[in-house]
Amino acid sequence: AQKITQTQPGMFVQEKEAVTLDCTYDTSDPSYGLFWYKQPSSGEMIFLIYQGSYDQQNATEGRYSLNFQKARKSANLVISASQLGDSAMYFCAMREWGTDKLIFGTGTRLQVFP
Amino acid sequence: GAVVSQHPSWVICKSGTSVKIECRSLDFQATTMFWYRQFPKQSLMLMATSNEGSKATYEQGVEKDKFLINHASLTLSTLTVTSAHPEDSSFYICSAWNRYEQYFGPGTRLTVT
Repeated sequence: AQKITQTQPGMFVQEKEAVTLDCTYDTSDPSYGLFWYKQPSSGEMIFLIYQGSYDQQNATEGRYSLNFQKARKSANLVISASQLGDSAMYFCAMREWGTDKLIFGTGTRLQVFP
Repeated sequence: GAVVSQHPSWVICKSGTSVKIECRSLDFQATTMFWYRQFPKQSLMLMATSNEGSKATYEQGVEKDKFLINHASLTLSTLTVTSAHPEDSSFYICSAWNRYEQYFGPGTRLTVT
């Protein structure tokens, strides 16, 4: 069965610094997709970044980058130049091919302080 | 990007009553939609997969008679919480795939008194 693990319940980072949120996954499928979502206190789920299992390069989207290490089955999110507005819950998720379900990790609460 | 709407955004109901939550894909068609439930400080828990024109597929442990799902068109899925009880109070979120991205509705906060 597919599984996503986020081992950091909470993280603190100072404004303008970079932070890495960890995510490891487990799957026996050769083809899979990995996602990161941000959920602020309002509850909306905001898509941040996507990495396909066959993508040769790490995905980047503005201040977000995904450190994809396939052999280690990790897909860590790196946020550069943190902003106060980055304070939120962050979820790592994997798409289950066939059912199209998204399997979520337990999330990491990031708090950015001045 | 694609938009998924939910209505209502919040609802308060009395124990024993039923509540219907609507999920609409506004600018794309969705043969499949997903319903999640989220308790405070927890992750999203998939409740069921809503299939247009056919029965929903429920996750293990989710009562299909309590959480009725109807996917009557390519842009609308509804979740009805029947005979709601305080333990059903939660944040309910729907989503749908558009190409390679899953778009989420803004969520519905249900409080059962």
